[in-house]
Amino acid sequence: AQTVTQSQPEMSVQEAETVTLSCTYDTSESDYYLFWYKQPPSRQMILVIRQEAYKQQNATENRFSVNFQKAAKSFSLKISDSQLGDAAMYFCAYSRAGANSKLTFGKGITLSVRP
Amino acid sequence: DTGVSQNPRHKITKRGQNVTFRCDPISEHNRLYWYRQTLGQGPEFLTYFQNEAQLEKSRLLSDRFSAERPKGSFSTLEIQRTEQGDSAMYLCASSFHKQEQGSKNIQYFGAGTRLSVL
Repeated sequence: AQTVTQSQPEMSVQEAETVTLSCTYDTSESDYYLFWYKQPPSRQMILVIRQEAYKQQNATENRFSVNFQKAAKSFSLKISDSQLGDAAMYFCAYSRAGANSKLTFGKGITLSVRP
Repeated sequence: DTGVSQNPRHKITKRGQNVTFRCDPISEHNRLYWYRQTLGQGPEFLTYFQNEAQLEKSRLLSDRFSAERPKGSFSTLEIQRTEQGDSAMYLCASSFHKQEQGSKNIQYFGAGTRLSVL
């Protein structure tokens, strides 16, 4: 079975600074997707960034980028120039490629941004 | 498009009562997923549909739970004889899957229905 582990329950970052959120996963599949989702308090979950396992290049979306280490099964999220609006719970998630597309989530990490 | 819509947003019920939640996916999306999220945890998969066909059910989905997507559009999740352990946020997500193009599996989530069982 696939598992996703987020071992840091909370992190804090100063506004305008950079923070890295860690995630490891376990799978026997060779083709899969990895995601970071953001869940602000009492608001819906939104996709931050997505990585396809067969692509070696790390995904980037504006201030958000990932460090995807396939051999180590590691998938960290870097947030640059942190903003107050980045404060939220962040979930790392995995899905197999192909027909079975359910997401397996980690426990999440609460990110606070200090002004 | 208004995104994935879930109703009601909050539901308070007494133990033993039946409850039903509704999810309206993004209109062109053919896949619809249900997840359950308890406080301080990540969402856990319950079930998913491709069009009207229910393709997979988690072991978390006991006999008291049933989900339908009768016309391949909106879906309902019913919980019969609710228990206090059913208290959670129930999330719906949708995505578009086209076999020949492969699935990018980008799932869009609704705001959820928070169930409290007293």
